[in-house]
Amino acid sequence: SQQGEEDPQALSIQEGENATMNCSYKTSINNLQWYRQNSGRGLVHLILIRSNEREKHSGRLRVTLDTSKKSSSLLITASRAADTASYFCAIHKAAGNKLTFGGGTRVLVKP
Amino acid sequence: DAGVTQSPTHLIKTRGQQVTLRCSPKSGHDTVSWYQQALGQGPQFIFQYYEEEERQRGNFPDRFSGHQFPNYSSELNVNALLLGDSALYLCASSFSWGNSPLHFGNGTRLTVT
Repeated sequence: SQQGEEDPQALSIQEGENATMNCSYKTSINNLQWYRQNSGRGLVHLILIRSNEREKHSGRLRVTLDTSKKSSSLLITASRAADTASYFCAIHKAAGNKLTFGGGTRVLVKP
Repeated sequence: DAGVTQSPTHLIKTRGQQVTLRCSPKSGHDTVSWYQQALGQGPQFIFQYYEEEERQRGNFPDRFSGHQFPNYSSELNVNALLLGDSALYLCASSFSWGNSPLHFGNGTRLTVT
């Protein structure tokens, strides 16, 4: 499958701790994107990293991309209860605008 | 500036029936994509519309069809509903150029009994 595969499937941490989740994929990509989904809601775009980039930051989020290993990681620093959600990576191949999502990592931040 | 809006929010149908879901894209966006998300799974790509034509299609049967109108809004139609069609159906809009991120609506929860 060319879709991203997130690891771990679920993560439980205390407020203030960091949360790290990983995404692996099998095909060449144009960019990789991370999305957040609160229960029963739509997905919200968090960050996009292009294939020629290695690291990007947005607030408490840090994303890395290693195209040689076909993997990406999302780090949430100083987590808050409001960060409780499912996080999905999505890959965008060079052709077209279709995004292919992985199965997600469910993050629970306990107060 | 309204984001992506979907209607209805919830829907209950019986096996064999047909359903139409509607989506209005974010202002300025010209491309609409539809995804199916089963409980506990990631979104699965159904198809994408641009300039009123289906531009890409995922691995879904012909029972799934769509339409895009001149104002860029879109409909998803599913015929001969099966129990397995029960899912959250998400509409996402974007610009047509390659690196445009998707803006999602809150989805339509379809239950087939």
